[in-house]
Amino acid sequence: DAGITQSPRYKITETGRQVTLMCHQTWSHSYMFWYRQDLGHGLRLIYYSAAADITDKGEVPDGYVVSRSKTENFPLTLESATRSQTSVYFCASNDMGQLNTEAFFGQGTRLTVV
Amino acid sequence: GENVEQHPSTLSVQEGDSAVIKCTYSDSASNYFPWYKQELGKGPQLIIDIRSNVGEKKDQRIAVTLNKTAKHFSLHITETQPEDSAVYFCAASKMMAGGFKTIFGAGTRLFVKA
Repeated sequence: DAGITQSPRYKITETGRQVTLMCHQTWSHSYMFWYRQDLGHGLRLIYYSAAADITDKGEVPDGYVVSRSKTENFPLTLESATRSQTSVYFCASNDMGQLNTEAFFGQGTRLTVV
Repeated sequence: GENVEQHPSTLSVQEGDSAVIKCTYSDSASNYFPWYKQELGKGPQLIIDIRSNVGEKKDQRIAVTLNKTAKHFSLHITETQPEDSAVYFCAASKMMAGGFKTIFGAGTRLFVKA
């Protein structure tokens, strides 16, 4: 089905481990984003990408790495997971032209770092 | 810095009553204001949006108003139904060199009591 999908939906990992969250979209949207959602903070932007091989930091990028070798995929890697990175992570995409428009979100990945 | 304040954080209404959620933004360059609804276990989904050249927009039971002078915008839901129960996020977005920037409010949890 067309859309934006994240995997896994749930993940438990240990402090210090590397973990990668996957995001795939089928619309060929140029922009993709990673947000984290924490109680009282809403959605905070971690990284975004305007096109393949172009990525940029958002509001809270420390401890995260992204890549975008293909337009449809935008993986997020926690190089050495910390408890403070326990959160719900959302991937999103949109097709910005001359106007900013709505973002389409995946269903989220709930990550617990123990 | 740039921010979006959203109030209230929790709102409980009786079925059939109206619900109002208010947001204030700080960056006068913001020109696009989407509202997202997030149901339990799902990603946020756009329900209505407004651009800075419009003061009000309505879609069935949902309306959004924008006061650019006061940097204030609001979501109005009339004749609320139990299925309106969810978390609602406002956002303020602006175009900038190389892309755009969107800042989300912290969210409002709406309970509609049957």
